[in-house]
Amino acid sequence: GAVVSQHPSRVICKSGTSVKIECRSLDFQATTMFWYRQFPKKSLMLMATSNEGSKATYEQGVEKDKFLINHASLTLSTLTVTSAHPEDSSFYICSAARVGTVDNEQFFGPGTRLTVL
Amino acid sequence: GENVEQHPSTLSVQEGDSAVIKCTYSDSASNYFPWYKQELGKRPQLIIDIRSNVGEKKDQRIAVTLNKTAKHFSLHITETQPEDSAVYFCAASRGYGNKLVFGAGTILRVKS
Repeated sequence: GAVVSQHPSRVICKSGTSVKIECRSLDFQATTMFWYRQFPKKSLMLMATSNEGSKATYEQGVEKDKFLINHASLTLSTLTVTSAHPEDSSFYICSAARVGTVDNEQFFGPGTRLTVL
Repeated sequence: GENVEQHPSTLSVQEGDSAVIKCTYSDSASNYFPWYKQELGKRPQLIIDIRSNVGEKKDQRIAVTLNKTAKHFSLHITETQPEDSAVYFCAASRGYGNKLVFGAGTILRVKS
């Protein structure tokens, strides 16, 4: 149990286009999902916390108008990178916290590698 | 905000030896401390975690210790094997629904 999927796993796009990444909890409900980005040989940097039915909370320095987050249901959160540029190329990973537990174990998706040409 | 420091950044050990990775955190309200193993291009995999009401936890060759007073926690891997080679991250959190703050990571190389 506690499986999180991401789609797509890999995407290449042209500069200026928008890319949507989906994060789904397959066998549990998640009121809270998190979006991270990871540069090569670096740690995971939290971009935003996504709460079902409310606005996402963005970390300092993350542009909310550039990285649009929607958490429309207890099993789905989406991250849209708008007007992507080469510097947005990165590995994007989501995680989900399972409803009904007092712990904070987060279950990670497999990640999406974004390459902007 | 919370800050997690992790050392060393790289660690090379001989197969069969032990490996220790240490982390310190700044937020005294943190109460959940997981350790993740990440292989290249893959998702982080939880290998062990500890909560603030416990000082030590062990799972086969892996153990974690927590010193709340000093605000540091450590990962111990005994009898290392080549397949333990990966990047290891520590993290700290205030609990359910709260964000994880990650350390910078440790590249572990186990030489056979």
